[in-house]
Amino acid sequence: EVQLVESGGGSVQPGGSLRLSCAAPGFTFNSYWMHWVRQAPGKGLVWVARIRSDGSDIGYADFVRGRFTISRDNVKNTLYLQMYSLRAEDTAVYYCWGVPDYWGQGTLVTVSS
Amino acid sequence: QAVVTQEPSLTVSPGGTVTLTCGSSTGAVTSGHYPYWLQQKPGQGPRTLVYDISKRPSWTPARFSGYLLGDKAALTLSGAQPEDEAEYYCLLSSMGFLVFGGGTKLTVL
Repeated sequence: EVQLVESGGGSVQPGGSLRLSCAAPGFTFNSYWMHWVRQAPGKGLVWVARIRSDGSDIGYADFVRGRFTISRDNVKNTLYLQMYSLRAEDTAVYYCWGVPDYWGQGTLVTVSS
Repeated sequence: QAVVTQEPSLTVSPGGTVTLTCGSSTGAVTSGHYPYWLQQKPGQGPRTLVYDISKRPSWTPARFSGYLLGDKAALTLSGAQPEDEAEYYCLLSSMGFLVFGGGTKLTVL
């Protein structure tokens, strides 16, 4: 069974940065569109960003555009989310998602002073 | 950007049938929205249950079926099991963006 593994979460102060990674061993990573989805504590799922299988098409939710950057390395089979200018409202579990049906277990990002 | 609407909560009896729906503030939900249904149980990450209206990954039980119903996407659970108690999210693709609904909390009781 394919397992996506996120890492890089943690606690950071407002205005800080973090880079999330999503490793996809044993997965034909370069064939899949990949997304980041987040979930604030006790809240619903929210789409964050997407990237095409070859990296040629990228899109962001309005609330992260200009602050977050999605990228991928198809040699390392890894998806990234570089997050800058973090705010308290970015506190959430971040999931990577290989469309249509592969999900990671999530990594928690906490933005607090 | 579209707002995706779902029933906040539904209850079904064990062995019973229930239908969850998913609407869009911009109009009818169509095949061009590539509707997804995701299941999330407490303390777990989400799992894709249905995609592209009606396609099921190999792990999705046949008792779940997705389809278009009027101007909405729908998910019917036939023969509910206790393990089906979960939050169910609809997801629509809209003008290059993906939008989740607020989720339906399904209770099997």
